[in-house]
Order: sequence, then structure tokens, then C-alpha cells
Amino acid sequence: GAGVSQSPRYKVAKRGQDVALRCDPISGHVSLFWYQQALGQGPEFLTYFQNEAQLDKSGLPSDRFFAERPEGSVSTLKIQRTQQEDSAVYLCASSLLGTSYYEQYFGPGTRLTVT
Amino acid sequence: AQSVTQPDIHITVSEGASLELRCNYSYGATPYLFWYVQSPGQGLQLLLKYFSGDTLVQGIKGFEAEFKRSQSSFNLRKPSVHWSDAAEYFCASEVWIYRDDKIIFGKGTRLHILP
Repeated sequence: GAGVSQSPRYKVAKRGQDVALRCDPISGHVSLFWYQQALGQGPEFLTYFQNEAQLDKSGLPSDRFFAERPEGSVSTLKIQRTQQEDSAVYLCASSLLGTSYYEQYFGPGTRLTVT
Repeated sequence: AQSVTQPDIHITVSEGASLELRCNYSYGATPYLFWYVQSPGQGLQLLLKYFSGDTLVQGIKGFEAEFKRSQSSFNLRKPSVHWSDAAEYFCASEVWIYRDDKIIFGKGTRLHILP
């Protein structure tokens, strides 16, 4: 079956613009995670959904970052008034259930460059 | 705070040689530990995981890792590397924060293969 897909794969935004990044998880996966991966770093947790409920958003770096998953499937990560420090690869992962016991399947990521 | 340390940023080995990538974790309780691989333009793929039991775990693509509590280590090994193993490798650990668990990643080790 299809894996996790993300779009767009690449996004260039001018500083101050708003961007929206989409994640299509594996069908039937309850849990969805967003990570931010800066250049030369490992992925860092941003937020976690179980179905449509956002259970943990402790990793979102500022109130410019907002994520939603209104129907418990597709998720969108929105960044308002982008800054240069937002440049990173944004990874989405889904898993059958929410604990680490169940493998997280990662999408290819969206590379965001803020100029 | 819980952390995962990968001391080597880059490792270069010759094709056919053995490989060991180092990982140290800091966490009081028995950790859940993972190794992921990230190829260029690809999402992260789980190689193997340790939850409990046998401290030597086997993974995909011929990789194995050994959990050593006394050394707080979870090193990844492969007896004979192939050119296709060139990628970035991330060690990760599950941490529990309140009622949620999430994965924290090391900064990664980039593996280069000499022909």
C-alpha cells in the first residue's frame, strides 16, 4: 500500500509569508506526528495527533506554528510570517497507535527554505 | 533532560568492511531504543528497535545492535557494508513526558562507503 506522502516536497518562501505543508498518512493510522529537522541535526518533535485530537503540541517553537487534522486523516502544518530560522525539512510520520511500540512510518519530508 | 548522543558525525568505511556506529543515551529507566536510516531524499526508515529481553537485536538489511545498560549504549553494527548502505543513521530513544511518549533523536552519523 501507499506510504506517507507529503506535499510540496520543496517550498521556497520569502520572509513574512505564510506556508502550509500537507501530510497524507497511511490509511487507518490513528497517530500522526510532525518533526522539524534542521540542517545537520536529527528530527525534533513538534506535535502529535491521535485521530483529530492534538494531544501534544509542546514542540511547536512559537505561536506562528499551527497544525490541524480536522477529520483524523490528512494533516496540515501551517507556519505564519515565516522567518529564516524556520528553514528546515519538515517530516510527517504516522503509526497505527500512539506509543513508540508501534513503528512510525515517515514521509519524505518537505524542505522549506525561507529567503 | 533525556538525550541521545551520537559521537561521530561522519564515518568512512570501505565496502566489505565491518561497521559500528556509536550511540549513548541518558535515561533513568529501561529505555526503548531505535536506529533509523535516512537516505537522500527519503524519509526515515526503522532499522531495528529494542524494548526488552535479548540485548542483541536483529534488524533489516543485515544490521544488528547491542544494548549495554552498564555503558548506556546501543551501538549499531554490520559485519560487511555495501555501497548502498551510504546514508545518515539516527539513534533514537523513547521518552515519557506526562502521559505521552515521544521519540527523541540523536544528531545523526553520516556513513560514507569507499569502493
